[in-house]
Amino acid sequence: QIQLRESGPRLVKPSETLSVTCTVSGGSFIDYYWSWIRLSPGKGLEWIGFVHSTGNTFYSPSFESRVTISVDTSKKEFSLNLHSVTAADTAVYYCARHEGRSSWEPFDIWGLGTMVTVSP
Amino acid sequence: EIVLTQSPGILSSSPGERATLSCRASQSLPRSFLAWYQQKPGQAPRLLVYGTSARATGTPDRFSGSGSETEFTLTISRLEPEDFASVFYCQQYRSSFTFGGGTKVEF
Repeated sequence: QIQLRESGPRLVKPSETLSVTCTVSGGSFIDYYWSWIRLSPGKGLEWIGFVHSTGNTFYSPSFESRVTISVDTSKKEFSLNLHSVTAADTAVYYCARHEGRSSWEPFDIWGLGTMVTVSP
Repeated sequence: EIVLTQSPGILSSSPGERATLSCRASQSLPRSFLAWYQQKPGQAPRLLVYGTSARATGTPDRFSGSGSETEFTLTISRLEPEDFASVFYCQQYRSSFTFGGGTKVEF
């Protein structure tokens, strides 16, 4: 059964880069799209961007200027880097798989999420 | 950007009751591109319904989705104890991805 697990630092300083990695186990990684989503009290659920197993990416306009998503198919991992963070980036960060093989699909498998706090 | 507005923000009900959750889109949305998720405390969101009315694998048949254009509805025919304390979100995936603000179901 496929599982996703987020990992990374729980505390990040303002102006630095938030980095979270998602590891996929128990299922196929190739030919799927993979997304990052976050949940914060102030803004609810926000989609950040996706990456295909080939490395193609697409970002939300809200994050486009300061986000990078990359993929490592050999490790079945994809990673989020969010630059120049502020306290407003404090949130639970989730990784998720797109259902089917198209980019415009709902998210059928989610990780448990990781809480990241931005604070000095 | 397609904005989704959910109502009510909080739904107070009782086990066995019928619940109707609303999701309004800021512009017309093809039925194929609207989904619903359930999030329980401390858990990740779980896909319940996609394409407006198709149940995802494992979704009980007490959950049903309907609607078109700008008005969509998730109906829970009979609330079960495990449905309480959940937050239900609608999502569109026609133009980028956006979520509604959520409806919390409480006892």
